[in-house]
Amino acid sequence: DAGITQSPRHKVTETGTPVTLRCHQTENHRYMYWYRQDPGHGLRLIHYSYGVKDTDKGEVSDGYSVSRSKTEDFLLTLESATSSQTSVYFCASQSSLGEQYFGPGTRLTVT
Amino acid sequence: GENVEQHPSTLSVQEGDSAVIKCTYSDSASNYFPWYKQELGKRPQLIIDIRSNVGEKKDQRIAVTLNKTAKHFSLHITETQPEDSAVYFCAASMNSGYSTLTFGKGTMLLVSP
Repeated sequence: DAGITQSPRHKVTETGTPVTLRCHQTENHRYMYWYRQDPGHGLRLIHYSYGVKDTDKGEVSDGYSVSRSKTEDFLLTLESATSSQTSVYFCASQSSLGEQYFGPGTRLTVT
Repeated sequence: GENVEQHPSTLSVQEGDSAVIKCTYSDSASNYFPWYKQELGKRPQLIIDIRSNVGEKKDQRIAVTLNKTAKHFSLHITETQPEDSAVYFCAASMNSGYSTLTFGKGTMLLVSP
């Protein structure tokens, strides 16, 4: 599983509160990604990073921000959570061969 | 941008039968096509991938074929077993620099004993 972990694994929060999800990898992979997974939509890219302090938007980036201050850590922040952001969030890191490996996921519920 | 269509959305087979899942992509520049298996409540796991310089790749009971002219690729599972039951996702990317993966919406495979 490419030594990739996520925290927390489960979180329930209220509408309007800020939330930060953490992804940590021990493979020294340059590229990292945040996806959300919803029924009927598969995996959709939120943001990705191609190096420390280098990030870009994905398909569904509205309402999300990211930061990458170290190679091993990639943070996803919901500045003001909404019910539409209830989802399962996966991070991934990419090997030098282009293979992406996923973390175990975070189940976020916004009430 | 890239668009990946995946069919069927659900597939039920008897144990021992073969299963085929098909994907089409839109961007002719795509050259990397991985397949992921996701069991219920688990992370997606890479099971096989193919690059555009080959037409077929096998790994035990699973194989992937690629037709670049038609822009489609398929996952073949032979001698299916109940533990093959899962959601399978195809994806496509240019696999250069920081190109991103575009995923199909998934196929739920159910293998009945």
